[in-house]
Amino acid sequence: DAGVIQSPRHEVTEMGQEVTLRCKPISGHDYLFWYRQTMMRGLELLIYFNNNVPIDDSGMPEDRFSAKMPNASFSTLKIQPSEPRDSAVYFCASSKSMGGGTGELFFGEGSRLTVL
Amino acid sequence: SQQGEEDPQALSIQEGENATMNCSYKTSINNLQWYRQNSGRGLVHLILIRSNEREKHSGRLRVTLDTSKKSSSLLITASRAADTASYFCATDAGQAGTALIFGKGTTLSVSS
Repeated sequence: DAGVIQSPRHEVTEMGQEVTLRCKPISGHDYLFWYRQTMMRGLELLIYFNNNVPIDDSGMPEDRFSAKMPNASFSTLKIQPSEPRDSAVYFCASSKSMGGGTGELFFGEGSRLTVL
Repeated sequence: SQQGEEDPQALSIQEGENATMNCSYKTSINNLQWYRQNSGRGLVHLILIRSNEREKHSGRLRVTLDTSKKSSSLLITASRAADTASYFCATDAGQAGTALIFGKGTTLSVSS
């Protein structure tokens, strides 16, 4: 398997523009997670899905952020409008159900976003 | 909010030495996991220890878990320059299928 695939790897945009990050999870994984990583705040959970259904979006910073998972093989994270403080590395991860707790996460290589 | 907190924040050692990183967490857990992140890359799973386990080994890695103290440690023996990376502990919230919450990590630098 190719692993979790994220695109784009790098994105530079100007404040106010719309940004869409994409993720293809590992086939057969039923959980998908979006995390954001910054030096100041570390790795923050934004939202996660189970069987394409959003389970917990309490980590989404504000209404400018939205995430969708239209099918088992694709998810998007959208920021509209973007602001400089959104600059970070955004990671997508997927996992399989595991009895007795959360299973091993497989991470993509991340999308580095810079908002000028 | 941060569930796990690693200590120390940074660690510098020589090749061949052992590296120990600690993690403390706040709530009950089902399992605790350790991940590694090389600079500019995604996180990679190293090892998972369940709440009813006290110690686990994988190659040069040894993980301990003390649920009474809500703490874990990761020991890397006979370190190599290639072990240079950031190491994170992650915990669930004690419920099956919940997301992992990560600490801020320990940055390990191994010099040859």
